[in-house]
Amino acid sequence: KNEVEQSPQNLTAQEGEFITINCSYSVGISALHWLQQHPGGGIVSLFMLSSGKKKHGRLIATINIQEKHSSLHITASHPRDSAVYICGPIGRGADGLTFGKGTHLIIQP
Amino acid sequence: DAGVIQSPRHEVTEMGQEVTLRCKPISGHNSLFWYRQTMMRGLELLIYFNNNVPIDDSGMPEDRFSAKMPNASFSTLKIQPSEPRDSAVYFCASSSDTPRLYEQYFGPGTRLTVT
Repeated sequence: KNEVEQSPQNLTAQEGEFITINCSYSVGISALHWLQQHPGGGIVSLFMLSSGKKKHGRLIATINIQEKHSSLHITASHPRDSAVYICGPIGRGADGLTFGKGTHLIIQP
Repeated sequence: DAGVIQSPRHEVTEMGQEVTLRCKPISGHNSLFWYRQTMMRGLELLIYFNNNVPIDDSGMPEDRFSAKMPNASFSTLKIQPSEPRDSAVYFCASSSDTPRLYEQYFGPGTRLTVT
């Protein structure tokens, strides 16, 4: 089955901790999307990447296309980072690959 | 810019009725995406357009769903006839083919309930 799997599904951490969210997929894609969905439901695009590593403020995303794996890191986490983080292919990828179910992150003060 | 605009924000309709969701992309953006989000299936890409032309509609669940983009500033997603399993939040997003990495900007979504 063609799937995108995210881990962990749920994560609760203390403010200031280093956070890692993983994304693995079963078929080849050319690029991957990381999204942030706020508790109110709004979606923000964080990264779109096809290789290597990108950094935006306290957020870092890496991808290894050959190993079919991507990670999202948050440094010096803050309660406002509490959200659902979703990864998925740009477009539908091969064989209808779609988005992961998301990682529910809670950062406690 | 006002961002991506979607209407209506909420829609409640009865099974069998036609539903039309509307999206106005950010001015100057030439790609538009329709997504659906449910608890069971998560976020799914339904269709995307580039320069008003549908590029990939393989995510459209069945013939009851259709999408159009008659011009660069407007798109519709139509469900006819609607069914309870179509209940979901439908998001529209747009992006630009610029060196700014094709970042997608999402609208606030339309919450559809089919009873």
